[in-house]
Amino acid sequence: DAMVIQNPRYQVTQFGKPVTLSCSQTLNHNVMYWYQQKSSQAPKLLFHYYDKDFNNEADTPDNFQSRRPNTSFCFLDIRSPGLGDAAMYLCATSRDSYQETQYFGPGTRLLVL
Amino acid sequence: QQQVKQSPQSLIVQKGGISIINCAYENTAFDYFPWYQQFPGKGPALLIAIRPDVSEKKEGRFTISFNKSAKQFSLHIMDSQPGDSATYFCAAIKFNDYKLSFGAGTTVTVRA
Repeated sequence: DAMVIQNPRYQVTQFGKPVTLSCSQTLNHNVMYWYQQKSSQAPKLLFHYYDKDFNNEADTPDNFQSRRPNTSFCFLDIRSPGLGDAAMYLCATSRDSYQETQYFGPGTRLLVL
Repeated sequence: QQQVKQSPQSLIVQKGGISIINCAYENTAFDYFPWYQQFPGKGPALLIAIRPDVSEKKEGRFTISFNKSAKQFSLHIMDSQPGDSATYFCAAIKFNDYKLSFGAGTTVTVRA
């Protein structure tokens, strides 16, 4: 009965080689978020979707893009991964703007060689 | 700038002891203050949360104390167990703003 599913759990890519991370949810929530979490740090919000409306954080590098083809799925595309992009990438959802709780997925650990 | 300050960075407690983590915030517009628990290699999970019009909330062994005038809140873990060993993040959010402001995190180690 997993609610927020992320695939793959581990991803190894080469420097500069595009990579896509996947998130799906069974909660039918309107809002989906992507966070980057580096070792011993708090999660950092990259962007979020409210339904189809995309909201980018001001300090999110252009190298990071996202797509949400439908309510259930959201993708994180890293166009040209650098060594500094190695991190845990977390997907989260919430029902709507007045829903306090964000539900996090298990994360995808990205390694850049 | 970090909107929520959290301390300590880490703590070690004996089994059965009390773990206390403190957080402070500046923005009085925050509407909700959740605590997340994160185990290594896993995503954060909501542990307990409080609204600013409540001074204390207890769920099992976990208690949040909230001091609105001081703009501080804390998590108490009573009767700490080895399974409580994890990283704990306090956070704050404004409704309709979407963005969780996280503290830096506290790594709790409970020794058997």
